Amino acid sequence: DAMVIQNPRYQVTQFGKPVTLSCSQTLNHNVMYWYQQKSSQAPKLLFHYYDKDFNNEADTPDNFQSRRPNTSFCFLDIRSPGLGDAAMYLCATSPRDRDTDTQYFGPGTRLTVL
Amino acid sequence: QQPVQSPQAVILREGEDAVINCSSSKALYSVHWYRQKHGEAPVFLMILLKGGEQKGHEKISASFNEKKQQSSLYLTASQLSYSGTYFCGTEKGGSNYKLTFGKGTLLTVNP
Repeated sequence: DAMVIQNPRYQVTQFGKPVTLSCSQTLNHNVMYWYQQKSSQAPKLLFHYYDKDFNNEADTPDNFQSRRPNTSFCFLDIRSPGLGDAAMYLCATSPRDRDTDTQYFGPGTRLTVL
Repeated sequence: QQPVQSPQAVILREGEDAVINCSSSKALYSVHWYRQKHGEAPVFLMILLKGGEQKGHEKISASFNEKKQQSSLYLTASQLSYSGTYFCGTEKGGSNYKLTFGKGTLLTVNP
């Protein structure tokens, strides 16, 4: 009964080689988020979708892009990964139709850049 | 603006209590508490809305002081399973659906 699924769990790529991470949800939540988390740091929001409305954080590098083709799926594209992009990438969802809603995280994809 | 958590780390023996604080320089709409174990995703613990409420979840409870813009997480009679990094996520008013996380508090519970 997995709710937020991320694939792959581990991704190794080469410097400069594009990579796509995927997230899917069975919760039918309106909002989907992508976070980057480096070792011993807090999750850092990259962008989020409210339905199809895309919201980019001001300090998210242009190297990072996202697609949400439907309610269930969201993708994170890293066009030219650098060594500094090695991190855990977390996808989260939220229904956000009540004040008491929170965000529910997937297990994450750990990205290694060689 | 990132909330400030304190302490950065705490080590307990099983059965001891701990308090983790989260404060913000901005007015808050809600505070969300998560626990993350090494290599795993953050797991939601509880949410507190403005209004100064206090909530409980087994032996873990939390309070939110809206005037002071701070929240505290209370862990009583700690168990080994409580070990992990605790993050508070704060949300400003305006329904922007975004959380800003503090740097985390590493809690280690030893036998």
